Amino acid sequence: QSALTQPASVSGSPGQSITISCTGTSSDVGSYNLVSWYQQHPGKAPKLMIYEGSKRPSGVSNRFSGSKSGNTASLTISGLQAEDEADYYCCSYAGSSTFYVFGTGTKVTVL
Amino acid sequence: QVQLQESGPGLVKPSQTLSLTCTVSGGSISSGSYYWSWIRQPAGKGLEWIGRIYTSGSTNYNPSLKSRVTISVDTSKNQFSLKLSSVTAADTAVYYCAREEGYSYATFDYWGQGTLVTVSS
Repeated sequence: QSALTQPASVSGSPGQSITISCTGTSSDVGSYNLVSWYQQHPGKAPKLMIYEGSKRPSGVSNRFSGSKSGNTASLTISGLQAEDEADYYCCSYAGSSTFYVFGTGTKVTVL
Repeated sequence: QVQLQESGPGLVKPSQTLSLTCTVSGGSISSGSYYWSWIRQPAGKGLEWIGRIYTSGSTNYNPSLKSRVTISVDTSKNQFSLKLSSVTAADTAVYYCAREEGYSYATFDYWGQGTLVTVSS
């Protein structure tokens, strides 16, 4: 099972919106609305930002939103802030044999 | 507030077995419907799910690691553990333990801080 494909880097200016894509296959992203997104600052553990495609855990800013179309899931960060600069990873359920596959990761830079 | 803490040797020799323990505090490992997972991250690279366990002892493993991985749970100590056998340099990584919401796949809501394990002679 290959990793889900994410762009290596995405950048934006403060206040702008950016979108990170997460492309899988019909065996994972395309078959299940079970994609989660994680934010990871350098030297820190990942933090859950979105689960089940578009749901936000308590305490996560509503500037973060998730969606899916076909085999591609997306994370949108609106009103970009300096603190959003981090690595972001998607994760998808991929069936009872493989279970979970993570994305390749995207480095978000706030210009 | 649930907290997870990994512990174990930071250096393992090639061909030996890597052993880590995750201690859960702030709640019982047996309460609620949660799975307990291990996830690793080589330096500068992405995350890789290793496997998970339910407090009943039921496990699921990454097929690419399944032949070398054993995850177990000790509810009396509020801990779960990872054993990875026949390690090579490719197993050098930061290892995280994480809690997964049992009613929602791929929802890892609490993570340990991670522990670096280096495989070297």
